[in-house]
Amino acid sequence: KAGVTQTPRYLIKTRGQQVTLSCSPISGHRSVSWYQQTPGQGLQFLFEYFSETQRNKGNFPGRFSGRQFSNSRSEMNVSTLELGDSALYLCASSYGGVPGELFFGEGSRLTVL
Amino acid sequence: AQKVTQAQTEISVVEKEDVTLDCVYETRDTTYYLFWYKQPPSGELVFLIRRNSFDEQNEISGRYSWNFQKSTSSFNFTITASQVVDSAVYFCALSAKEYGGSQGNLIFGKGTKLSVKP
Repeated sequence: KAGVTQTPRYLIKTRGQQVTLSCSPISGHRSVSWYQQTPGQGLQFLFEYFSETQRNKGNFPGRFSGRQFSNSRSEMNVSTLELGDSALYLCASSYGGVPGELFFGEGSRLTVL
Repeated sequence: AQKVTQAQTEISVVEKEDVTLDCVYETRDTTYYLFWYKQPPSGELVFLIRRNSFDEQNEISGRYSWNFQKSTSSFNFTITASQVVDSAVYFCALSAKEYGGSQGNLIFGKGTKLSVKP
């Protein structure tokens, strides 16, 4: 079956702009999580959605937001971009429930100039 | 303090050598889960294994084996007879309610980059 799909794969923005990233989970998966990966901080949890509800949120400023649609697809938005937001943003999906196997997409690489 | 520590930043071995990747975790919870993920150059993390805190049995899957020791809070990963295709960054991760653990909220270590030379 198709894996987790993230779009766009690469994008370049300038400071102050906003960006929306999209994630289509594996069919049947109801949980979607987002992570930010940078060389300095490593992998950091952003938020998790389950059945359109935010179930958990990491320690990121309010400029980072997300949502999940009824078909389990998810989007995350970063407003007023800063240089430090340059990162690989990874989306992961799972069935939900007990912490288990996360299926990751290839990520969206954001560069902020 | 780091909740998941992977002290080895980079390891380089020659093909067919055995290699062990270390992972030390920290939590006060009695119920928690540990994971290993592999990230090849394509960027997509691939799940390798999950262990819960009540199961200390070592596990072997082909050339991969895992040693979980609660007494030392360690969950080490060994690749036997390494191959070039094993070259990747390997992450150890922890899910614990103490850290808001839920299905998708994992605490990752900084990763160990493994290079296997032919």
